[in-house]
Order: sequence, then C-alpha cells, then structure tokens
Amino acid sequence: QKEVEQNSGPLSVPEGAIASLNCTYSDRGSQSFFWYRQYSGKSPELIMSIYSNGDKEDGRFTAQLNKASQYVSLLIRDSQPSDSATYLCAVKKGGYQKVTFGTGTKLQVIP
Amino acid sequence: GAGVSQSPSNKVTEKGKDVELRCDPISGHTALYWYRQSLGQGLEFLIYFQGNSAPDKSGLPSDRFSAERTGGSVSTLKIQRTQQEDSAVYLCASSFPGEDNEQFFGPGTRLTVL
Repeated sequence: QKEVEQNSGPLSVPEGAIASLNCTYSDRGSQSFFWYRQYSGKSPELIMSIYSNGDKEDGRFTAQLNKASQYVSLLIRDSQPSDSATYLCAVKKGGYQKVTFGTGTKLQVIP
Repeated sequence: GAGVSQSPSNKVTEKGKDVELRCDPISGHTALYWYRQSLGQGLEFLIYFQGNSAPDKSGLPSDRFSAERTGGSVSTLKIQRTQQEDSAVYLCASSFPGEDNEQFFGPGTRLTVL
C-alpha cells in the first residue's frame, strides 16, 4: 500500500463546477496535510494546509480532513480553466520533517 | 532573493559522468529538502537538512547520491556515475523549522542522462 494515494485522473469538470480531489494516507501518525498545485513544467506551489479534523476554507478552496478515515480532500468551487493543473497531496508525520507526496491528480477544467 | 533558486536549470550529461546540482534556499529557512520527480510521477523524497543536525538521508536511492549543506545555507546534490534512470527533475525546497512550516520549492533542475 502506498503511503499517500491519489487517483491520477484526469478529472474533468466544466467551468463553474465544483472539483473534488481526494487523498488517502496509510500512516495514522500523520499530523500535517498539504495540497500543492503544479502546473505543467513548473514546480509545486502550496495551496492549502490542514492540521485538524474538519474543514478549512480559503477563498474558492476548501480542505477537508478526516483522521479517523485517513482521508483528506480538496474542493475547488467555481472552477476556472486556470485551475487546470496537477494537484499533489502531501503528508507529514508528527515528530518528523519528511513529507510524503502522492503522485497527484490531474484536473482539467473545461471552458 | 525572494525565493528558492536552483542551478543549473537544465543539465545534459553522458552516462557515467558525475553531476552537481545547487540549491540556494530562502534566507532564514533552516530546513532544506531535495526531491526527485520523474516524468508524470509524484515527488520522491531524497534528503532533508535541518540546521546543524545530521541530515535525514533515508530517501537517497543509492550510494551514488550524496548531498551536503555548507554553512547552513547553500546545498549541493551530487550524483556520481550517472545512469539513464537518474533522468528527472530535481527539486529543492526550504522552510522554517517546525512541525507545521510550509515548504517553498525552487524551479528545479532538469537532468537528462544520455
């Protein structure tokens, strides 16, 4: 089992719709969770971080964490073509600095 | 500078040659990470430095790979006797120390081994 699993996609959504990106992780000791966006040929950039169960909202983005289910998700409301990118889920275990990344989900927002 | 910088941006080398990749972290960031990203893949952790502590080398794929960080700032990743499977984008990231501090990535070095 991979430490961090994501569906590779592509996930296609129409412009203006909600995009839902999902991630599961295997280590119950994980305490910090991150979503990065990576445009083709570019380096990852941080979108959201979440550390406690529940929802965290930032503009059109909402991160959701459920530690009991070992599940973290990212919702993008009012999706725009500029949101088309690969979204990487990353997980950090408590007491450690190593961050484990998933392989990413490719999102395509269709105009 | 405002962000993490890496050099060179592209490196083409012949199989069996040694290469060195450089990373300049954001000023004040004591944590520094190296990752490798192969085409269409996620990020593979290689090594982590934090201040003067011993680095976490658990992700280095073989003894051909090594890294150092001089003066707690600039880091160099060295790959000896390069192989074609070493071809990838090598990304450096830095952060402040601590559990929840976010990593900022450099633009990467694209390594091609012929």
